[in-house]
Amino acid sequence: NAGVTQTPKFQVLKTGQSMTLQCAQDMNHNSMYWYRQDPGMGLRLIYYSASEGTTDKGEVPNGYNVSRLNKREFSLRLESAAPSQTSVYFCAISLRGQTTGSYEQYFGPGTRLTVT
Amino acid sequence: AQSVSQHNHHVILSEAASLELGCNYSYGGTVNLFWYVQYPGQHLQLLLKYFSGDPLVKGIKGFEAEFIKSKFSFNLRKPSVQWSDTAEYFCAVLGGSQGNLIFGKGTKLSVKP
Repeated sequence: NAGVTQTPKFQVLKTGQSMTLQCAQDMNHNSMYWYRQDPGMGLRLIYYSASEGTTDKGEVPNGYNVSRLNKREFSLRLESAAPSQTSVYFCAISLRGQTTGSYEQYFGPGTRLTVT
Repeated sequence: AQSVSQHNHHVILSEAASLELGCNYSYGGTVNLFWYVQYPGQHLQLLLKYFSGDPLVKGIKGFEAEFIKSKFSFNLRKPSVQWSDTAEYFCAVLGGSQGNLIFGKGTKLSVKP
């Protein structure tokens, strides 16, 4: 997982509850991403952070907030969970390949969230 | 906007059969292309990647992919699949404005023993 950890692994919420998904990386990389994975949809970008203190919206940001308080951690918050947010959430970091010089993304283990 | 199309939603093969999964992308500039594999209940793992040079790229576990620029394609191949190849396969292009990956919708591969 290139040093990307996510907590929790599983979570069940009731509609309207809030929670924060945590992502941490131990490789001091700048770029971090949150994706959601839904059946038949592939992965879609929710939010992105180029560096500490900066965040940008991705393709599907509605209903989410993010926080990048330091270089190591990038959290995703659901303020008022909805059944449409039932998904698997993946955090990713972007690494520059030593031999290629191009960027590759490596993913954390994911958080499986169910909203009832 | 860039997009990635994967032609097959679900492919079912018997062990030892040959595999080819289709992937087409819409991005017209310099492309960085990837195939990821996701085994049941697990995270995405990088299978192989293309940045430049030889259009035939070899990855892990006997997989390879061929970049054909004129066809905007990056198909994944394996000469002889095994039951352990049962997984979902995602094609992706590095093309988002934030340096993110644009993913296809995935192809589920089921290999019968």
